[in-house]
Amino acid sequence: GDSVTQMEGPVTLSEEAFLTINCTYTATGYPSLFWYVQYPGEGLQLLLKATKADDKGSNKGFEATYRKETTSFHLEKGSVQVSDSAVYFCAQEEEGKLIFGQGTTLQVKP
Amino acid sequence: GAVVSQHPSRVICKSGTSVKIECRSLDFQATTMFWYRQFPKQSLMLMATSNEGSKATYEQGVEKDKFLINHASLTLSTLTVTSAHPEDSSFYICSAPDRVGTDTQYFGPGTRLTVL
Repeated sequence: GDSVTQMEGPVTLSEEAFLTINCTYTATGYPSLFWYVQYPGEGLQLLLKATKADDKGSNKGFEATYRKETTSFHLEKGSVQVSDSAVYFCAQEEEGKLIFGQGTTLQVKP
Repeated sequence: GAVVSQHPSRVICKSGTSVKIECRSLDFQATTMFWYRQFPKQSLMLMATSNEGSKATYEQGVEKDKFLINHASLTLSTLTVTSAHPEDSSFYICSAPDRVGTDTQYFGPGTRLTVL
């Protein structure tokens, strides 16, 4: 079946470092792809999304490009901040349902 | 953005009892809501799709008699864990799209259930 795989965490970075969190998916079609973020004590929030191949989603300095050829949707940010510390989930949509990756914990140290 | 609330945020119960968790859309109407379960350090697993005015649709392997879902209004869905056992202890999360046809969902903050 369809699935999402993302890199294991935790990822620990210093402030202003470059961030990459890898995400790959398997799907029979061409699903919409998402990154959700869960800050401590809060619910999941949509960070960004892309609905078709080569689309780039971006928000709050984060970017991810829908790569059909590599079935990937890697999350990147050029300069992370302490406030970016959270759990990041990659997801795909299948018939209205979200299929999530296992989540990657990011910890940014000052 | 749209807001989804859950109540309670945390509940502890004895084995064999039933627990009800509420999911509310505060500023929009939701004909569909989704219930997820999240184990520690693991992904969210979709349990069921809650449909206003009709029966819920359960994912494979989810016991519908164990996890009762009622979507009685356009702003409220409830998940009742019946005859709870320690293995039901988990983090339960609901979500809802704020309009029909959108692919963006809004998530509740989750409910931590601990069964003793």
